[in-house]
Amino acid sequence: EIVLTQSPGTLSLSPGERATLSCRASQSFSSSYLAWYQQKPGQAPRLLIYGASSRATGIPDRFSGSGSGTDFTLTISRLEPEDFAVYYCQQYVSSPLTFGGGTKVEIK
Amino acid sequence: QVQLQESGPGLVKPLQTLSLTCTVSGGSISSSYWNWIRQPPGKGLEWIGYIYYSGSTDYNPSLKSRVTVSIDTSKNQFSLKLNSVTAADTAVYYCARRLPGDTFDIWGQGTVVTVSS
Repeated sequence: EIVLTQSPGTLSLSPGERATLSCRASQSFSSSYLAWYQQKPGQAPRLLIYGASSRATGIPDRFSGSGSGTDFTLTISRLEPEDFAVYYCQQYVSSPLTFGGGTKVEIK
Repeated sequence: QVQLQESGPGLVKPLQTLSLTCTVSGGSISSSYWNWIRQPPGKGLEWIGYIYYSGSTDYNPSLKSRVTVSIDTSKNQFSLKLNSVTAADTAVYYCARRLPGDTFDIWGQGTVVTVSS
């Protein structure tokens, strides 16, 4: 099973600042199979990034993903008020499909 | 546009069977993987398993002995059964679509299931 470890657990930032979220995998895999989701309270997760760096339909270009092997990053270039949420990485290269523990981006 | 909607009891007694159904609307249930994912209160996401439209399945080993996912293509529905539930199975249960080679692009709104006597 591929274990995904996200850091930091919580990121306290102000609107307009840059957010950098990390996802580290317990074993190397193709970046084609790494996704990022955003989840707000009481809502289902929303797909942001797939294939490590491709934005899903309707996702603003302030969201970008990068990385390969075991280290992946989600960057939000300038935080908007609606971006404060929990973010999860997820791998879909092998079963069982697994998620990271999440990073909460909160308003400082 | 494809939409998913979970339905089922919100309260299940310990050691009984949790049963949920996901209805697919706005599109066909064919040619996709149909998944169940859960989220305990205040915690992260756990993939439970999927069924392909053809009927093949795959389950998370942590739940495999207690889980069955089935599909009814005539009703555009798929279902989850989880046996012998305990309080640890209390969670929001989501159904989600995954296209071949892709990830979860469409999710239901989720349904809260509480295990309690």
